Amino acid sequence: DAKTTQPPSMDCAEGRAANLPCNHSTISGNEYVYWYRQIHSQGPQYIIHGLKNNETNEMASLIITEDRKSSTLILPHATLRDTAVYYCIPETSGSRLTFGEGTQLTVNP
Amino acid sequence: GAVVSQHPSWVICKSGTSVKIECRSLDFQATTMFWYRQFPKQSLMLMATSNEGSKATYEQGVEKDKFLINHASLTLSTLTVTSAHPEDSSFYICSAITGQGHQPQHFGDGTRLSIL
Repeated sequence: DAKTTQPPSMDCAEGRAANLPCNHSTISGNEYVYWYRQIHSQGPQYIIHGLKNNETNEMASLIITEDRKSSTLILPHATLRDTAVYYCIPETSGSRLTFGEGTQLTVNP
Repeated sequence: GAVVSQHPSWVICKSGTSVKIECRSLDFQATTMFWYRQFPKQSLMLMATSNEGSKATYEQGVEKDKFLINHASLTLSTLTVTSAHPEDSSFYICSAITGQGHQPQHFGDGTRLSIL
């Protein structure tokens, strides 16, 4: 499994965009990049995933660099409810997820 | 859609007893379910993967005789912690996927287990 590097913590002002980076320089060609988040004392929540094209859904946008060695999750208008630990996880089809330490995002009023 | 329900949400029991945790997919058929454990201030660690109708595959270091997993139907998997001890106290979380191919895992809200 590819290893990932994420900043341990980030702060963001409410209403502003939150840009969460992830380095996955050892990702293999068939591994998708998945993003999940975990709000305190809850199970993780799926956010978005992609292979090499940028993706957008109702929750976030995912920007993947052309060499696929890094990606950025963008929450366009962060709210207090977006405060959570965000995990970037390379994953092959139907297989195990290996959670790293993730990024603790704190959205401040 | 894709709702996964866990029961109970929290449980406290005495050392030496066995505890069963249920994981149900409410609106889809889960061909594969995963069980994770999370200690305070740590990340999730995968314990085992179970496919409906077959034996679970346990991660290295996880005792299969202590953590019994049953996935008898496409909507239900159970984790039984046998002869639980205080060091088994943790947050247990299940997830589920359906079919094959690239798809997200859908997680339950977890079960907080405290062994006295």
